[in-house]
Amino acid sequence: NAGVTQTPKFQVLKTGQSMTLQCAQDMNHEYMSWYRQDPGMGLRLIHYSVGAGITDQGEVPNGYNVSRSTTEDFPLRLLSAAPSQTSVYFCASSLAGTGDRGAFFGQGTRLTVV
Amino acid sequence: LAKTTQPISMDSYEGQEVNITCSHNNIATNDYITWYQQFPSQGPRFIIQGYKTKVTNEVASLFIPADRKSSTLSLPRVSLSDTAVYYCLVGSTTRTALIFGKGTTLSVSS
Repeated sequence: NAGVTQTPKFQVLKTGQSMTLQCAQDMNHEYMSWYRQDPGMGLRLIHYSVGAGITDQGEVPNGYNVSRSTTEDFPLRLLSAAPSQTSVYFCASSLAGTGDRGAFFGQGTRLTVV
Repeated sequence: LAKTTQPISMDSYEGQEVNITCSHNNIATNDYITWYQQFPSQGPRFIIQGYKTKVTNEVASLFIPADRKSSTLSLPRVSLSDTAVYYCLVGSTTRTALIFGKGTTLSVSS
């Protein structure tokens, strides 16, 4: 059982480049979400999804797009990377009804935009 | 959404008991209190959840007074490996995504 898998683990982008951070879970969880964590800060919610075909914005959605075509995958797209998007990105999944106790996190993607 | 307040940092020595208090004055009736632990370069992981009174598991204890406006995470006899950031969250079972504060950075020294 792999849990939540994020790829890549590290990435360096130039300003203006685009890329997709991948997130996959094999636990058949309905809910998936993306967070960013800046140095010395807590995690901030970017986007989340309550099921295939349904997504919504979190606290800091600007500059990011998501889609959820399958239960397993929830990619995060940066259309035009900016240095302000340098951060560590975490993906999480959980079963509906488990609330705050049920989230499983991936190992993170460390993104640097130069 | 119930806002939480916890100390930014705490220091301890190996073998000591550590208590981290979280304030959540506007907690709702159907909200639970949940704590996550995050080691450096890793994603957070769930450690304990409670609704009222006391909950204990193999990792920690959680104390919640009757008014539920605060809670205390207790880590017995900490070791160096307990050095981490601890987050207090308040939300119901219908929550679809977690909302984190800045957390408490616990540093354990020998």
